[in-house]
Order: sequence, then C-alpha cells, then structure tokens
Amino acid sequence: DAKTTQPNSMESNEEEPVHLPCNHSTISGTDYIHWYRQLPSQGPEYVIHGLTSNVNNRMASLAIAEDRKSSTLILHRATLRDAAVYYCILGLSNTGKLIFGQGTTLQVKP
Amino acid sequence: DSGVTQTPKHLITATGQRVTLRCSPRSGDLSVYWYQQSLDQGLQFLIQYYNGEERAKGNILERFSAQQFPDLHSELNLSSLELGDSALYFCASSARGNGNTEAFFGQGTRLTVV
Repeated sequence: DAKTTQPNSMESNEEEPVHLPCNHSTISGTDYIHWYRQLPSQGPEYVIHGLTSNVNNRMASLAIAEDRKSSTLILHRATLRDAAVYYCILGLSNTGKLIFGQGTTLQVKP
Repeated sequence: DSGVTQTPKHLITATGQRVTLRCSPRSGDLSVYWYQQSLDQGLQFLIQYYNGEERAKGNILERFSAQQFPDLHSELNLSSLELGDSALYFCASSARGNGNTEAFFGQGTRLTVV
C-alpha cells in the first residue's frame, strides 16, 4: 500500500498560520488525499480531502502539489483548540482503504 | 458527535478470553472500518466492510474476526486475548467506502487485557 511521511512534531503560535507538510510519493493517480486530526482520548476527526485541486472548507485549506507527490494542510489562524495529532492519509481507490501514517503532533503556543 | 456509536466504551478482561466490540455506523453509511491504536502508536487498519461484504483487509490477526450485519452494524471479535491486544479500537463509517468520501469515527473502545 502507498504510504505517507510527515514530520513528527511542529509548533505554532496562536493566531498564526500553520502549514503541515506531507509526502506521498507512491500515490496512484486516483487515490485521494485526506487529513484527519485526533485529540487525546478521542476518535479521529475529518478535516479535509482532495484529489488534484486545492480545496478549502471552514476548517482548513489543502494545497496539493502538481505532481501529487506532496500536499500541505493549512490552518489559517491556529487556536489552542487546534493542538492535536494531524494525520495525512491516502484513500486508496482500488480498495477503499484509509491508511494512516504516524501523524504530526501540533503544539500551539499562546 | 460523529454519529458513530461504539460499545462498550471500556472493557477489562483476562488473557485467553474472548470479547466482542460493537459499532453502529452513521445513518445511511454503508461502509465500516476497524482500526487498532496501541499506546503511543498510530492507527493500524484492521478490516473494512461495505454493505455486509468484506472489502479490504489490513493487519488483522487470525485471532480477530469481524462481520457487518444486514442492518449495517458491525462487530469485531477478539479471541485468545493477549496482553499486547490492550489498545483503543476505533470504528469508522463512510457513505461509500471507496477512498474518496470522508470517514466518521466513533469514540473508541478501550480494551485492557490483564
């Protein structure tokens, strides 16, 4: 299965933008890129997903590289409630699997 | 509230025993996923069902089995439990389970094997 690579941890200041990178060099042409986040002792929460074009929703933006081998999740103004583990995931089109990587722990400082 | 219900929330059992974890998907979702999350580990994909049929299999042990019933709820059965099976088990559901629709996760079942 294709896999994703993310930095183990990142820090941000409150109310500043955060760019969380993800590499997925083995992605196939029809696999979707998903982002989820997980707070301690909770189930993962859907953030955003896309195929080729950049995507925006009320939570975040997703910027996908032209060759689709990498993507960036953008939180426009980090809040303390955004501190979580962020997972970049591939939604495999041939099986429907959602394969989680190790995730990035985001710390937001006041 | 994601709309996905998992029961029980907590389970403590002894080694060698068998337990059943239950998941009710969101209304209208046809696909169910099961994941295992051990302490300080990421989410390991176990198995996926779509409309009652197994769709994809991950790193699921032979001691574990699952099924999805006609009413779309799913059960994960864990048998001959070992200490290492202690983990959070999450269920997720999605509308089509084809990789391009979002999944909604339950709050998990925390299994402790003593």
